[in-house]
Amino acid sequence: DGGITQSPKYLFRKEGQNVTLSCEQNLNHDAMYWYRQDPGQGLRLIYYSQIVNDFQKGDIAEGYSVSREKKESFPLTVTSAQKNPTAFYLCASSIFGQGNSETQYFGPGTRLLVL
Amino acid sequence: AQSVTQPDIHITVSEGASLELRCNYSYGATPYLFWYVQSPGQGLQLLLKYFSGDTLVQGIKGFEAEFKRSQSSFNLRKPSVHWSDAAEYFCAVGAYSGGGADGLTFGKGTHLIIQP
Repeated sequence: DGGITQSPKYLFRKEGQNVTLSCEQNLNHDAMYWYRQDPGQGLRLIYYSQIVNDFQKGDIAEGYSVSREKKESFPLTVTSAQKNPTAFYLCASSIFGQGNSETQYFGPGTRLLVL
Repeated sequence: AQSVTQPDIHITVSEGASLELRCNYSYGATPYLFWYVQSPGQGLQLLLKYFSGDTLVQGIKGFEAEFKRSQSSFNLRKPSVHWSDAAEYFCAVGAYSGGGADGLTFGKGTHLIIQP
């Protein structure tokens, strides 16, 4: 089955700890994205990557880092600099290029909680 | 910068009644518009999208939306709702540069409640 997988489903972070959220897709999509969702706030873009070994900051990149070493993988690290990390994190992917193909498909999400 | 407004935080509709969820956007160029639905604790599922052409677009689960440039709106409609339609609905606008997507800007969502 083609799709986007995120792991783990739940993640707990201690104060001062870095944690990494996994996002994998087997859709052969070029572009991948990370969003953060808070109650009543909708989704906000953290980082995105249109091609391997390249990525751009979104609207709320501070306290986060990413890498894109493989086309199918786009892990997100929540660093200790992110003071309010509790949220639902969603990964998405799309085919690169304008037109009908430029639709984002979402994974099931990871809920991050601070201990 | 683009923005999306969903004026209704909550909407309650009786099962079998019609539904309209409002969405207004702000974007300097021709917008690419989307409606997504989210069940509690789940990811987002695409309902429909507008890129160009016919301003009335059909989606999955019996939903449709109409793009009105003069009103900067992209309202979602369904003629008869089912209890399974209860969920959170998000409108989004896409920004593109260099031939690729820069990410979506989302509204804050509308929580749909279905009364029996």
